[in-house]
Amino acid sequence: NAGVTQTPKFRILKIGQSMTLQCAQDMNHNYMYWYRQDPGMGLKLIYYSVGAGITDKGEVPNGYNVSRSTTEDFPLRLELAAPSQTSVYFCASSYSRAGDYEQYFGPGTRLTVT
Amino acid sequence: QQPVQSPQAVILREGEDAVINCSSSKALYSVHWYRQKHGEAPVFLMILLKGGEQKGHDKISASFNEKKQQSSLYLTASQLSYSGTYFCGTVKLNFGNEKLTFGTGTRLTIIP
Repeated sequence: NAGVTQTPKFRILKIGQSMTLQCAQDMNHNYMYWYRQDPGMGLKLIYYSVGAGITDKGEVPNGYNVSRSTTEDFPLRLELAAPSQTSVYFCASSYSRAGDYEQYFGPGTRLTVT
Repeated sequence: QQPVQSPQAVILREGEDAVINCSSSKALYSVHWYRQKHGEAPVFLMILLKGGEQKGHDKISASFNEKKQQSSLYLTASQLSYSGTYFCGTVKLNFGNEKLTFGTGTRLTIIP
């Protein structure tokens, strides 16, 4: 199993550009999450999904959009990139509810907006 | 309402013990612990559930005081591989148990 994979690993965007961060998991997990981690800080939840077709906002959703058409994939869309979105983005998945199950994290995407 | 971790940083010599604390102002369903090495993704260590159930690492122990909404992670006889930043994550009671809120982390450095 590859676990949770993310692409790209690094990206530099200009202000106002858009991009999609890809996330895929091969563990047949129902729950998937997107977090951002600013330097020296903890992880903040952007969006999460409890299954295909169902998504919900986390703590910091502004400036982002998600969709989940399959169990395996959970892409994160950045529209009109801003310097405040410079961060490391982690995708994670769990078998079921966050309260009961461990989360498996992807390797992260390091994004710089200039 | 992010959980508060203490200390923010600690330096130990190999073989020494450490305790990392996590405190929340909200009633909790569970507390999770993760370790993150520099430049890497967080890795799961433990879950402590309301009611006393624990799941996770067999060489690391932790406690969860449900009345005080506090958890502590105990690292005994520390090894160089224990270095990294430790995050607690909390899941609030009665909110669907679907979202984990992470603390700001405790940086642990082990020196030979």
